[in-house]
Amino acid sequence: EPEVTQTPSHQVTQMGQEVILRCVPISNHLYFYWYRQILGQKVEFLVSFYNNEISEKSEIFDDQFSVERPDGSNFTLKIRSTKLEDSAMYFCASSEAAGTVYNEQFFGPGTRLTVL
Amino acid sequence: AQKVTQAQTEISVVEKEDVTLDCVYETRDTTYYLFWYKQPPSGELVFLIRRNSFDEQNEISGRYSWNFQKSTSSFNFTITASQVVDSAVYFCALSRMNRDDKIIFGKGTRLHILP
Repeated sequence: EPEVTQTPSHQVTQMGQEVILRCVPISNHLYFYWYRQILGQKVEFLVSFYNNEISEKSEIFDDQFSVERPDGSNFTLKIRSTKLEDSAMYFCASSEAAGTVYNEQFFGPGTRLTVL
Repeated sequence: AQKVTQAQTEISVVEKEDVTLDCVYETRDTTYYLFWYKQPPSGELVFLIRRNSFDEQNEISGRYSWNFQKSTSSFNFTITASQVVDSAVYFCALSRMNRDDKIIFGKGTRLHILP
């Protein structure tokens, strides 16, 4: 069964460093998302991406964050200068586009980011 | 604005007991989706169910059942004859009925099933 994959599973970085979290969405999917979950808290929407553009972003998704689809398979989240409060689990999700019918978002296993 | 409230932060029950997880939502939209996800200790999000706002029929899947009541804006989840493997954090969630809309999650209920 196709699935969303994310690498690495765990990333440790120093405050101020840049990190890139990688996701491989399901191959025929066209909508992509990043969500964040600070330890012990709820899952929060960061950004959605379609047709090489950001569709929507939350207040969390400030200038330190960027997303990119550098090739036909990867979808990345970059944090330019990490802060301690960026420590969280980051989930990637994707959904296919089929008319106006709701398309289920399939979540990846997550990348746990630890900022020291 | 959309909001999901899970008032129960943590619940502990003894194995084989039934347990209900409460979920109350707020939305101005007339059409929307409701979800439940399970997050086991390993951390991944496991999709359990999606219901649309048109369909208030209760649903049963094995030991799991869901009670959707629009009149009270609630979408409660019951586990019958709970098992230790049901121990996890359970999230209720909401989204608009657009094809690429974000999912809004509640804060989750941590469920402990004691042997």
